Amino acid sequence: EVKLLESGGGLVQPGSSMRLSCAASGFTFTDFYMYWIRQPAGKAPEWLGFIRNKANGYTTEYNPSVKGRFTISRDNTQNMLYLQMNTLRAEDTATYYCARCGTPVAHWFAYWGQGTLVTVSS
Amino acid sequence: DIVLTQSPATLSVTPGESVSLSCRASQGITTSIHWYQQKSNESPRLLIKYASQSISGIPSRFSGSGSGTDFTLSINRVESEDFSVYYCQQSYTLPLTFGSGTKLEIK
Repeated sequence: EVKLLESGGGLVQPGSSMRLSCAASGFTFTDFYMYWIRQPAGKAPEWLGFIRNKANGYTTEYNPSVKGRFTISRDNTQNMLYLQMNTLRAEDTATYYCARCGTPVAHWFAYWGQGTLVTVSS
Repeated sequence: DIVLTQSPATLSVTPGESVSLSCRASQGITTSIHWYQQKSNESPRLLIKYASQSISGIPSRFSGSGSGTDFTLSINRVESEDFSVYYCQQSYTLPLTFGSGTKLEIK
């Protein structure tokens, strides 16, 4: 069974940094692209970025809205996905999800974690 | 960026009715559209991929159609568990984008 479990959210001050984690299990982690998506309360989801699989060199792509502030990485020995967020702003307040496609390389989301809430406020 | 416009924003229906939800793309995206259902305080759930392809475990009353710029999610005879928010998402090009959602509510 595919499982994704995010952690690391909480309350942070504007301008600070935070790292989110996503523990993956139930599949061969290195075979799949992995994604981060966020959703402010009451609003639509927003794709943040993804990191490719082993076959595609673990390279990354980002939404221009967060490029340069957010960094996605993965630890393939621990089946962990990370999202490093810097210079956080109030508008970054949202529930953050990690997600996986149903096939190794395709940009739709068959599996989602339960999400972790990030609140940016002074 | 490709903008996805969902309509209506809210749809009020009686259980047992059949409904159609619309998603219009700002440019042609072939059939690279996917539909999700999100219930309150839950993660989104994939319903349909590539405009019309069914997903294992999703009830057969959910179906999708369309290509190019106009897409439809249909629910045949809405059940009480279907009242939630529905989003479309395109995978044609980066950045991946979602529509603003249609809320299906009980009349």
